Amino acid sequence: AQKITQTQPGMFVQEKEAVTLDCTYDTSDPSYGLFWYKQPSSGEMIFLIYQGSYDQQNATEGRYSLNFQKARKSANLVISASQLGDSAMYFCAMRARHNFGNEKLTFGTGTRLTIIP
Amino acid sequence: DTGVSQDPRHKITKRGQNVTFRCDPISEHNRLYWYRQTLGQGPEFLTYFQNEAQLEKSRLLSDRFSAERPKGSFSTLEIQRTEQGDSAMYLCASSPEPGGTQYFGPGTRLTVL
Repeated sequence: AQKITQTQPGMFVQEKEAVTLDCTYDTSDPSYGLFWYKQPSSGEMIFLIYQGSYDQQNATEGRYSLNFQKARKSANLVISASQLGDSAMYFCAMRARHNFGNEKLTFGTGTRLTIIP
Repeated sequence: DTGVSQDPRHKITKRGQNVTFRCDPISEHNRLYWYRQTLGQGPEFLTYFQNEAQLEKSRLLSDRFSAERPKGSFSTLEIQRTEQGDSAMYLCASSPEPGGTQYFGPGTRLTVL
């Protein structure tokens, strides 16, 4: 079974500062993928960034980077130079990749990020 | 290129009524997923399709729930005899390949009175 843990229910960050959102995971699968999604108040889940378990380098997408520490089973999202539009719920998710029959995403409970002007 | 669309965006119904939601995936995405999200929680997997074949169903998908994707394009999710516990956001996602990134629609928010 897979499990995602996000221990920060809410965070307040000053605009233009960097912020790290924590995510730890548990799985027995040797191959898996880790995702971060953003959910604004409108409800749509917006894909931000992906990290494969065998990827040698940490993933980056613009202002988003994923701090992947495989031995610690953590996949923290780092947002640089935060903006007011970054205020939203953020979800960490994982998916096993060991076979085609297991494609569902398992999500954490999310972190509500509020950017303060 | 349009994203995943869902209809309706909001649905209010009385307990015991049947409801049906529609999801249109991104064009040429052969995989389509349904999730349910209750207040304060992350989405939970319900079921998914490869083209018209339903490949996996969660235990959350009781016999009151049925999903179809008859022509491998849009999908419908029907809930029969709705209960107050069915109140949630129902999210649809699509992916172009096995294990690919799932792109979500705006969701359908269901309220059962």
